[in-house]
Amino acid sequence: GAVVSQHPSRVICKSGTSVKIECRSLDFQATTMFWYRQFPKQSLMLMATSNEGSKATYEQGVEKDKFLINHASLTLSTLTVTSAHPEDSSFYICSARLTGGSLSNQPQHFGDGTRLSIL
Amino acid sequence: SQQGEEDPQALSIQEGENATMNCSYKTSINNLQWYRQNSGRGLVHLILIRSNEREKHSGRLRVTLDTSKKSSSLLITASRAADTASYFCATALRGANSKLTFGKGITLSVRP
Repeated sequence: GAVVSQHPSRVICKSGTSVKIECRSLDFQATTMFWYRQFPKQSLMLMATSNEGSKATYEQGVEKDKFLINHASLTLSTLTVTSAHPEDSSFYICSARLTGGSLSNQPQHFGDGTRLSIL
Repeated sequence: SQQGEEDPQALSIQEGENATMNCSYKTSINNLQWYRQNSGRGLVHLILIRSNEREKHSGRLRVTLDTSKKSSSLLITASRAADTASYFCATALRGANSKLTFGKGITLSVRP
């Protein structure tokens, strides 16, 4: 159980293109989803916390107009990288946490990541 | 700055040996979690230990937590080549919107 599907797994596109990444919780409901960015051989950097039915909470230094997050249902959150440029190339990973119970004691369940390459 | 800091940064062992990885953190936490990441993939949750727990086991994994020293260790016994991956500790504070703060990770290589 607790499977998170992230799509697409790999995107290569030209500079200026907008790219949408989907994160779905397949067998559970997730009030909260998280979006991370990971550079090669580095740790995960939290970009934003996505809450179903409300605006995302962005971490300091993350441009909300650049990285648009929509969490329209309890099983789907999307991250859109608008007008992507080469410096946006990275590995983007989403995660979801089960709804209910002691939320702070719930593990996060991760998608397999999206490798974004902007030419 | 990163909440969690693992050491060593890289570890290479022979199959069958035990692997011990350490994590230190700076502030009071609600729980500490260990995750594994295979190359180019997402993270897999391994084990969660709460602040009022001292030790936890799951299969070949043993995690300890010392809140007085603000440190945790992950022990993998009888390692296998398939255990080759990056391992991250992550800390969570209290609260419904608690987010995880990840350490830099440890690269474990298990030689067959």
